Parts: sequence; C-alpha cells; structure tokens
Amino acid sequence: KAGVTQTPRYLIKTRGQQVTLSCSPISGHRSVSWYQQTPGQGLQFLFEYFSETQRNKGNFPGRFSGRQFSNSRSEMNVSTLELGDSALYLCASSSGGGGYTGELFFGEGSRLTVL
Amino acid sequence: DQQVKQNSPSLSVQEGRISILNCDYTNSMFDYFLWYKKYPAEGPTFLISISSIKDKNEDGRFTVFLNKSAKHLSLHIVPSQPGDSAVYFCAASAGTYKYIFGTGTRLKVLA
Repeated sequence: KAGVTQTPRYLIKTRGQQVTLSCSPISGHRSVSWYQQTPGQGLQFLFEYFSETQRNKGNFPGRFSGRQFSNSRSEMNVSTLELGDSALYLCASSSGGGGYTGELFFGEGSRLTVL
Repeated sequence: DQQVKQNSPSLSVQEGRISILNCDYTNSMFDYFLWYKKYPAEGPTFLISISSIKDKNEDGRFTVFLNKSAKHLSLHIVPSQPGDSAVYFCAASAGTYKYIFGTGTRLKVLA
C-alpha cells in the first residue's frame, strides 16, 4: 500500500509570494490533515478535510487555506508569505470514519524556506 | 496555551535499559492519545495509541500508560535500542481528528 505522498519536498520562496503544497493520502483514506512543524514548537494543527469539507481548523491566519478534491487529494496554500512561515509542512491521512479517532499516517513533508 | 506538554527536551539512556518518555495535558476532554517517532528529514511514524477508557496499552517493546487523574501519559521502551534514537511526540485529541502535539523529546540511546 503506497504511503502518503507530498510534493514538492523542498521549495524556496521570497516574502510576499504564495505557495501551494500537495498531498496524496493513502488509498481509501478520506481524511487529510495538515500540520506545521517549526523548531521548538512541535507540530501545530492547521486544518483537516474529510470528503472535500473542512472539518476542523487550527489557529492560523486566513493566509493559510486548503482544499480537498473528490479523490481525497489535498492542497494547502499560503499567500503573502512571511519569514515566519518557513517550516516543515506535514500532511497526514487517516480513514476519517465518523465517531472514531484513529491514528494519523504522515508523509515526509514539504520543507518551505521563505527568504 | 500549550495543552500538551513534554517537559523533557532530551533524554539519554543506555542500550538495553528502559526509556521513559513523559507527556502531560491540561484538557480533560482529551480522550485519545498517540505517540510518534520522528527521524530527521522524515515524517513522524506512528508507534502506539491509547484510549481514555484504558490505562495501559502494550505493543512489543512499547507500552503506553495513561493516568487520567493526573492528566499524564508515559511511553516506556524496553529494552532500548540504538535505532530508537529519535524525537518522540505525544499527541492528544478530543474525539476529532484535530490532534494537539507536544514539542517532542529527543531520545538518545547509547550503545
């Protein structure tokens, strides 16, 4: 079974630009979550999508957005990039079944550097 | 407000001994907990989970203990191996797929 695939793995942007990251979940998984990891901050929850709908949202500004397609693939977008957005962005998939909280399966992440 | 805390940034243990990693939480609504291991340049790997209806869950060398009254959980690794050297994260959820992660503990197992 293929794992969670994230693209691109590495990217460099400058302040003010925007970026789109992509995530393909494990086949059959319908829930996709996004996390931001920065040094000393652990993993911060961005949002979770299930069946193309945002089901949960973290405490990030509106510059961070996402969406999920009918095949469960997900994208996240960060607009007007700031230096502080430099981080590892991790995507996680899970079965997402209602009422059951299961484990998350993570991709290898997209490392974003903002100059 | 850090709802999930891992107060030890690092831990060193001799090979073959027990590693104990600790995690504290403040939200009494949390009812499902996960432990992850992370190597550099890789995504976190799921290790073990525990539901709030249990106080212990075991999987091979890994055991997680949950003390709900103290809002504390711990991960025991016995015996510790050099390949266990990584950063360990605990995470908690209140019945949704929104997980709150701790800041991690770096475990170093000395050969």
